[in-house]
Amino acid sequence: GESVGLHLPTLSVQEGDNSIINCAYSNSASDYFIWYKQESGKGPQFIIDIRSNMDKRQGQRVTVLLNKTVKHLSLQIAATQPGDSAVYFCAEGPYNFNKFYFGSGTKLNVKP
Amino acid sequence: ETGVTQSPTHLIKTRGQQVTLRCSSQSGHNTVSWYQQALGQGPQFIFQYYREEENGRGNFPPRFSGLQFPNYSSELNVNALELDDSALYLCASSFQGAGGNTIYFGEGSWLTVV
Repeated sequence: GESVGLHLPTLSVQEGDNSIINCAYSNSASDYFIWYKQESGKGPQFIIDIRSNMDKRQGQRVTVLLNKTVKHLSLQIAATQPGDSAVYFCAEGPYNFNKFYFGSGTKLNVKP
Repeated sequence: ETGVTQSPTHLIKTRGQQVTLRCSSQSGHNTVSWYQQALGQGPQFIFQYYREEENGRGNFPPRFSGLQFPNYSSELNVNALELDDSALYLCASSFQGAGGNTIYFGEGSWLTVV
């Protein structure tokens, strides 16, 4: 299938290492943030979300950190696996309205 | 599988033509959003439909229009196609106001305008 990851910044990590993907968002009024994973030929898949009244949220092998002061969001993936290889997008928007602004994405390449 | 089905998966159109893309929402979802994703970029919000009414629009011209049907399925129509309309068009269905973890994307329709 076609790739949506052309010309994107790429993060290469070794299998088993931890990955950190960063995102700068633009709208200080956004109160809801989501990380999506997009594999080649597929639509975005929800990974984890966080509301603006929190600065950290953990899921299974993933953690999202939010720094509202500098408008920065990060996604940490523990023990990265080959199946984690994909393009990762952060998205920001209002919580109660499904209109999101997506970042430009980071391609994660996991080396076996 | 997200339960969101889009058709067609790929199509090629000529500049100036019109195209209709279709989306079948996940059962029970009353909100459909459409996004355009150009190669190498993140999805851009086109518009959202809630209970058959347009409920928000991004920075897209009026030649991008849509419909939502009583069964909550949806169409995206683009008139007077331009070369820059070539992109992956994504449909996302959700239950309004329920949060991001209930938003499900389809696998998209790849449109190429020549």
